[in-house]
Parts: sequence; C-alpha cells; structure tokens
Amino acid sequence: EVQLVESGGGLVKPGGSLRLSCTASGITFSNVWLSWVRQAPGKGLEWVGRIISKARGGTADYAAPVKGRFTISRDDSENTLYLQMNSLKTEDTAVYYCTTFNQFNAFEFWGQGRMVTVSS
Amino acid sequence: QSALTQPASVSGSPGQSITISCTGTSSDVGGYNLVSWYQQHPDKAPKLIIYEVNKRPSGVSDRFSGSKSGNTASLTISGLQAEDEADYYCCSYAGSFTFYVFGSGTKVTVL
Repeated sequence: EVQLVESGGGLVKPGGSLRLSCTASGITFSNVWLSWVRQAPGKGLEWVGRIISKARGGTADYAAPVKGRFTISRDDSENTLYLQMNSLKTEDTAVYYCTTFNQFNAFEFWGQGRMVTVSS
Repeated sequence: QSALTQPASVSGSPGQSITISCTGTSSDVGGYNLVSWYQQHPDKAPKLIIYEVNKRPSGVSDRFSGSKSGNTASLTISGLQAEDEADYYCCSYAGSFTFYVFGSGTKVTVL
C-alpha cells in the first residue's frame, strides 16, 4: 500500500519561511515523479510544483505564483520529498498535499495534507 | 493561467446519472488527452478517479466515466449513490510553461 505522510507546516508570519516534508512508503521512491498541490481554505485545488526522478534529470518546475520563492527537492535515500517555502505571503495559506504523478500526468497517490497558515 | 470552468454544483437522485463539465482552452483541455478527475470528500485528500480522459485506476467503480470533446471534458456518474456526494475537480496538463491547471470544482449533492 502506498503511503505519503506530510510533516512540518504550522503558523508563520508574512515574509517568513517554512519547510514541509513528505515521507513515502510502499513505492520505489527513486522512480516516482512527485508534486505538491495546495488548497486554500474553502477553495479549489492549485498545482504548486513538481520534481521528476533523478534518472530523468531530477529537475523541478513551479507554478507562477510560487516560482522564485518555493523550492522542491528530494532525498531518495530517505524516501522523502521537501517543499522549502520562503518569502511567504498570506495568500500561501492552504493545506499542502504531496502527491505522486504518473506518466499520464495524473496525480495518483496523495498524502493527508498539512496546513500552512501565513498570518501576522 | 485561469482555472478550468466547472459548474459550481450538480445534483441528482439516487440511481440517476449526472454529468459534470470542465471547459478549458486549446492550450490545455483541447490540446492534450491528459485530463484527470478527482473526488474529494469533506476534510479528506482528493482521490484520482479518471486519468487520460477516460481511464479508471484500479479499484475505481465503473459508474465513473470520462470523455472529451474539443475544449470540454466531462465526468459522468451513473447509478448515483449517497457515497458519491463530494467535490469533484478536473485537471489538465497545459504544456511545459503552465504545466497543470485544475478546474474550479463541482459540489455533487445526492438528493
């Protein structure tokens, strides 16, 4: 059974930084492509960014609203995905989900989500 | 990149069929056969129910089906059941600049 478990998050002031982690089990982590998707309170889903497998280059791509402020990385030895969030804004307040995504660009498995609140 | 357009709500009685539309542009829905659909129950993580327009992951009920025509994708739920009451989101690949765009979401109510 595939499991994705996020950790980190919490309350941070505008302009601050926070890091989310996502630890996976039940999959060959080094082979999977991974993504972060967020959901603001009472709102819809929004893609944040993705990172491909190291075998395919290990590069990360980002949505326009977070580009230059967020960094996605992976540690295949720890089966862990990271989301480093800097220069946080109030509009970054959301539940953040880590997901795997498949060759059909579908978000296949999801973590339980982690709340990030940006407020003074 | 704007969200794909979905109706805010759709309702139906048990046993009926309902269809949710997802309208985008030729840069996303119309340009790629990479539309997926997600079901989200309250306070739960989304669940993939359709990928590549009309394919179901293992374990997903065959009451869920997908299709696409031009810039509009659709999700049909047949034999509506109480457990289908949830929010539904479409998503499309949108090329190597925007990457992925989600729909605005549709709340399905079983009457």
